[in-house]
Amino acid sequence: NAGVTQTPKFQVLKTGQSMTLQCAQDMNHEYMSWYRQDPGMGLRLIHYSVGAGITDQGEVPNGYNVSRSTTEDFPLRLLSAAPSQTSVYFCASSLTGAYNEQFFGPGTRLTVL
Amino acid sequence: AQSVTQPDIHITVSEGASLELRCNYSYGATPYLFWYVQSPGQGLQLLLKYFSGDTLVQGIKGFEAEFKRSQSSFNLRKPSVHWSDAAEYFCAVGPGSARQLTFGSGTQLTVLP
Repeated sequence: NAGVTQTPKFQVLKTGQSMTLQCAQDMNHEYMSWYRQDPGMGLRLIHYSVGAGITDQGEVPNGYNVSRSTTEDFPLRLLSAAPSQTSVYFCASSLTGAYNEQFFGPGTRLTVL
Repeated sequence: AQSVTQPDIHITVSEGASLELRCNYSYGATPYLFWYVQSPGQGLQLLLKYFSGDTLVQGIKGFEAEFKRSQSSFNLRKPSVHWSDAAEYFCAVGPGSARQLTFGSGTQLTVLP
């Protein structure tokens, strides 16, 4: 099993550009989530999904879109990048919900100039 | 809304010494509590969790945590720290819906030889 994979590992964008962060898991997990990690702020939930076709907002959803067309994939879209979105982004998955052990991907370090 | 406070931003201990990392939460009902660890450049890994029952919970890597309702605390402990324990530690709390976790800001642990 590859676990949770994220691509790319690093990305630099200019303000106003859009991009998609990819996340995939091969554990047949129903629950998937996206977090951003900023110094001194821990992890903050952006969006989550409890199954294919079902997504919901977390604590900091503005500026981000998600979709869940398959159980395996949960991409995160930045619609119009802003410097405030410079962060490290983690995707995670768990069997059925946030209270099962969440398995985290290696992260994507995004810089918006 | 629930919240988590980790009062110590950075802790330094000598190898072989005991360790206690503090976590205080704010939530109206009995919360679901977690400790995750993040090694440098990695995603997070679950150390232990508390849902109900025995207030002293054992986790992986020799860690334990104690839930104290009267103090709204869930402190993480280890009797003897190893150099490989150097990492950042996050406490997290969740309400009853099992859909979202709120993470603390983290405590960075340095282990001296």
